[in-house]
Amino acid sequence: QKEVEQNSGPLSVPEGAIASLNCTYSDRVSQSFFWYRQYSGKSPELIMSIYSNGDKEDGRFTAQLNKASQYVSLLIRDSQPSDSATYLCAVEGNTGKLIFGQGTTLQVKP
Amino acid sequence: DAGITQSPRYKITETGRQVTLMCHQTWSHSYMFWYRQDLGHGLRLIYYSAAADITDKGEVPDGYVVSRSKTENFPLTLESATRSQTSVYFCASNRRIRGGSSYNEQFFGPGTRLTVL
Repeated sequence: QKEVEQNSGPLSVPEGAIASLNCTYSDRVSQSFFWYRQYSGKSPELIMSIYSNGDKEDGRFTAQLNKASQYVSLLIRDSQPSDSATYLCAVEGNTGKLIFGQGTTLQVKP
Repeated sequence: DAGITQSPRYKITETGRQVTLMCHQTWSHSYMFWYRQDLGHGLRLIYYSAAADITDKGEVPDGYVVSRSKTENFPLTLESATRSQTSVYFCASNRRIRGGSSYNEQFFGPGTRLTVL
């Protein structure tokens, strides 16, 4: 069983729509959760961190955490073609190591 | 603020050769990491280091060697390169965020694309 699971996609949304990306994890003791954006041929870029149950908003991005159900989600409002990328969910394990999901490819169509 | 740099950015080598990938960070972060990223496997941890002279294996350490004599540098060596080590290699470091709840944020270098012929 994979420790961090994401739907690989691609997830296709029209420009201006809300994109919803989901991630589930298996380790109940995980405390820190992250979303990275990775453009093709580039390195992962940290876009959101969340540690407490509930929502955290940063501009057009909202991260949602539900520890009881062991899922993390990322909402992107008013999606733009420039949001087209692979989004990696990561969960912090022991000793500061991150466990990454395989990533969800998002396509925003003009 | 240079952050994390990796060199070379692209490397082509032959099977059996030794290759060293360099990683340098200017933040004085304690933790540093090496990942490889392959289609179908995502990001996999090769080695990590908690501080100078402290290193530990990750998920896929076989065929790789690391050292960390200085906090800012964390080179990765492929002792005898194999075709299966063709990949994109990312170095990363952790920034410790201290507050009511302390946590780490991890930042990545630009990557090295390695091809082993």
